[in-house]
Amino acid sequence: DAGVIQSPRHEVTEMGQEVTLRCKPISGHNSLFWYRQTMMRGLELLIYFNNNVPIDDSGMPEDRFSAKMPNASFSTLKIQPSEPRDSAVYFCASTGPPRGKLFFGSGTQLSVL
Amino acid sequence: QQQVKQSPQSLIVQKGGIPIINCAYENTAFDYFPWYQQFPGKGPALLIAIRPDVSEKKEGRFTISFNKSAKQFSLHIMDSQPGDSATYFCAARRQTGANNLFFGTGTRLTVIP
Repeated sequence: DAGVIQSPRHEVTEMGQEVTLRCKPISGHNSLFWYRQTMMRGLELLIYFNNNVPIDDSGMPEDRFSAKMPNASFSTLKIQPSEPRDSAVYFCASTGPPRGKLFFGSGTQLSVL
Repeated sequence: QQQVKQSPQSLIVQKGGIPIINCAYENTAFDYFPWYQQFPGKGPALLIAIRPDVSEKKEGRFTISFNKSAKQFSLHIMDSQPGDSATYFCAARRQTGANNLFFGTGTRLTVIP
């Protein structure tokens, strides 16, 4: 299995631009999570999906952030408009029943200038 | 509010030493306590996990000690090696309901040769 696949690995953009991060979970996994990692705040859960349905988005910082999971094999996290304080590493992770271990992707390093 | 509190923030030990990382939680509904290891440029990966029905679990050089009454758990690394240098995260998950993990803020471990 290829594991959780995230793209792009690195993204550099200018303030105000739209950013879209992509994730392909492990086949057969039914839960998908988006985390943000910074030095100051560590790993923060932004949103998670169960069977493609958003369950808890209370970690999404503000309306500029949105996430979708149109099918079991693909999810996106979008930031529009982006701001310098959004600079961080964004991880996608997935897990399958019955409440198995969480597998992380390699992350997207986002820099907003 | 941080659901899982982790200390220390950073730790430096000599090769062969036994670094200890501590975590504490408040929510008695937590019933699964994993530790994740993260190398630079990579996503966190599950290292070892414990459930509260046992007080200790060993996997190779890694040991989790669990104190249910104190609501604390710790990671010990025996005979530490330079290759163990990484960031370590403790985490916790509720017994029922939501499938997401609550992470500690991480400990950056450096093992000096």
